Amino acid sequence: GAGVSQTPSNKVTEKGKYVELRCDPISGHTALYWYRQSLGQGPEFLIYFQGTGAADDSGLPNDRFFAVRPEGSVSTLKIQRTERGDSAVYLCASSLGQPNEQFFGPGTRLTVL
Amino acid sequence: GENVEQHPSTLSVQEGDSAVIKCTYSDSASNYFPWYKQELGKRPQLIIDIRSNVGEKKDQRIAVTLNKTAKHFSLHITETQPEDSAVYFCAGEDMRFGAGTRLTVKP
Repeated sequence: GAGVSQTPSNKVTEKGKYVELRCDPISGHTALYWYRQSLGQGPEFLIYFQGTGAADDSGLPNDRFFAVRPEGSVSTLKIQRTERGDSAVYLCASSLGQPNEQFFGPGTRLTVL
Repeated sequence: GENVEQHPSTLSVQEGDSAVIKCTYSDSASNYFPWYKQELGKRPQLIIDIRSNVGEKKDQRIAVTLNKTAKHFSLHITETQPEDSAVYFCAGEDMRFGAGTRLTVKP
């Protein structure tokens, strides 16, 4: 079956712009996670959804970052007023409940010029 | 969230030797302990996990041991092969990852 997909695969934007990153989880997976990963670092937790609600958003670095999952399936990570320090690979993962094995998407590489 | 610390940060072994990576955690109520492998340019993938009702779990050359009293769990890879070279991450029950261990297996 289909795995986790993320779009776009690459996004180049200018400092100060707004970006949206999309994640399509595995069908039926109730838990969805967003991470960001910089080169040579581990995945940094951003936010976790259980169904439609954000069960833990304590990893969001500041109020420029926001994520939604309105129907309990697809999720969108939104970043306002992007900064060069936001450049990273943004990973999405889903699982059948929590805690359980996470299945990761291929990531979106965000570059802020 | 759960505080997970991972050691060592890098590990180099000869092919055929064993490798051990250790993680300590802070929340004594944690019950789920996964290990992920990330090859260069690829996404993390689960290689083994353990729940607190057992002390050890094995899958071929890979094993995980859990010491709930000391609050640590370890990944053991036996008979290492060059294709085991990757970065390995432990995670806590809240799915926050450790800093990673870069394992290099020299042929």
